[in-house]
Parts: sequence; structure tokens; C-alpha cells
Amino acid sequence: AQSVTQLDSQVPVFEEAPVELRCNYSSSVSVYLFWYVQYPNQGLQLLLKYLSGSTLVKGINGFEAEFNKSQTSFHLRKPSVHISDTAEYFCAVSENKGRRALTFGSGTRLQVQP
Amino acid sequence: DAGITQSPRHKVTETGTPVTLRCHQTENHRYMYWYRQDPGHGLRLIHYSYGVKDTDKGEVSDGYSVSRSKTEDFLLTLESATSSQTSVYFCAISDSRNEKLFFGSGTQLSVL
Repeated sequence: AQSVTQLDSQVPVFEEAPVELRCNYSSSVSVYLFWYVQYPNQGLQLLLKYLSGSTLVKGINGFEAEFNKSQTSFHLRKPSVHISDTAEYFCAVSENKGRRALTFGSGTRLQVQP
Repeated sequence: DAGITQSPRHKVTETGTPVTLRCHQTENHRYMYWYRQDPGHGLRLIHYSYGVKDTDKGEVSDGYSVSRSKTEDFLLTLESATSSQTSVYFCAISDSRNEKLFFGSGTQLSVL
């Protein structure tokens, strides 16, 4: 069965500092990987996705993530955060075979402080 | 924005009553999903549908049923609501399994 672990429930960081949000997954087959963001009182929006090919994926708002198959990780990074990046971030996995739908992690709340 | 409408947006109900949440899409997407969001748990999949009358259970399906008689509508029913079903419910759609999900605005359900 597929599963996702987000290792940090909250990450406080100062504005213009770099940030990394960690995500590890478990699956017995190849997977698709996603990062979604949820701003307060809104639904989720896609930041970026990995389907195949280059392991470094660039997304919207300056975020990027790197797929590491040997470590089963898909960590999200941004070199310099803004106050407006304050939100909850969800990692998600979907096996690329069978009928399984997307499985989300428990989320990481990014708090950007001035 | 993708055309997804969830109704109602807010509902307060009593334990033991039936409740139906509706998700309506105008995108003609094949895949539709119901998730619930709870603090500390992220989003957990309740049920999903890969087409009309083609539905399957997710990880937290107990106490919920779904129906999809038309491409555009995906109904989630709580046969007998319990306080543990107090949550925010999100509907999502996608055009294929490796494409992004579009989410509705959510339904806040409180079971007293």
C-alpha cells in the first residue's frame, strides 16, 4: 500500500531564508509524486509534480522538489521565502498502476516570520 | 478556476441523521474524489469514482456511501451521522490519474 510521511508538522522560518519541507513515501511500485499548497480558508492548489524523467522538478512561486528513489523522498525547497508563502503544504503520492487514488501526507505548516 | 461546486458550504446536523453532500462539476472530467480534512491527519480519501457507476472505497470509507449516476455529479452520503464525522469535506476532480486534482471550496460539516 502507498503511504506518505511528512516529517515536520510545523516549520517556522524568517523571511528571505531558505526552507526545506521533507516528504518520504512508501510504495511497492513506481509512483507519481505531488506537492500541493493550501492557503487559509481555501482549497488545495498544485505546486509541482513528478511523473518521470528529470528528478529535479520546478513548480510555481519559486518552489522546486527533488525525487530521490533510493531514499524514497521528495523534499520541497525554496531558496528565499516570502511572508505570502505562509500556508500548509501537502505531499501526495499515487501509484502509476492499478486503481489507487492520490494519498496525502498529514501536512506541514510553513510559518514565515518578518 | 475549474468548475467545481460543493453544496452545501456549511451544515450543522444532529447525531443519527442522514446527510448528503453534493459535488457538481462542469469540466466533464472522468475522475472524482471525496476527501475529509482533519487537523493532524491531512486529507484522507473517503471514496472515489473513475466513471459513471464506477466507485471504490478509500482509506476512511466506513460510515459513508457514494453515488455517481451522471458524469457531473458525485454524491457523498452519511447514512447516520456521528460526531466523529465532523470535518471539512473536499471534492476533487481530475482528467487522468497522473494529472493534477482540482479541488472544490469544501463543506464544513458539524455533527452535534
